[in-house]
Amino acid sequence: NAGVMQNPRHLVRRRGQEARLRCSPMKGHSHVYWYRQLPEEGLKFMVYLQKENIIDESGMPKERFSAEFPKEGPSILRIQQVVRGDSAAYFCASSPNDHEQYFGPGTRLTVT
Amino acid sequence: KNEVEQSPQNLTAQEGEFITINCSYSVGISALHWLQQHPGGGIVSLFMLSSGKKKHGRLIATINIQEKHSSLHITASHPRDSAVYICAVTSDKLIFGTGTRLQVFP
Repeated sequence: NAGVMQNPRHLVRRRGQEARLRCSPMKGHSHVYWYRQLPEEGLKFMVYLQKENIIDESGMPKERFSAEFPKEGPSILRIQQVVRGDSAAYFCASSPNDHEQYFGPGTRLTVT
Repeated sequence: KNEVEQSPQNLTAQEGEFITINCSYSVGISALHWLQQHPGGGIVSLFMLSSGKKKHGRLIATINIQEKHSSLHITASHPRDSAVYICAVTSDKLIFGTGTRLQVFP
């Protein structure tokens, strides 16, 4: 059973471009969480999704950020019109039961 | 004040030393997690506990629900234990402490 997969591992975007981060949960896990770790800061919750539903997006910035977890395929975190302040590590975690979470390796986004 | 506080923020130790990292929280929780983040950045879940004590190899985690406090202990520390250790609590969502940076020197 492969662990949580995230790709790409590193992503470089120019200001104003779009960034798409993908997270494939562990097999059998229907809960997905996205977290952001800004440079020199701790992890912060962004959004919690179950298949086709956003359960809690209280940690998502109000503009430019969106997330989905379709019935088929990975969960996607999408950042439109990226700015330098979006540079961070974005971690995804999955869970079978909204309790124990298994983390992916993260995607490091650099905005130039 | 953060809802999850860790101490110390930084910790250095000589190989073989016994290490304790503390975590206090101020919210109601259903579980507490200890995570390890290596310099490469990946996060590994070490423990999830809601009461008592858990042991895995040289790592021991305890939690006191009444006092809202947890400790992570590392026995016979080794340089490969050097990492950031993060305490996180499950409230309505996962809330993270700021981490304890541990360096173990040979």
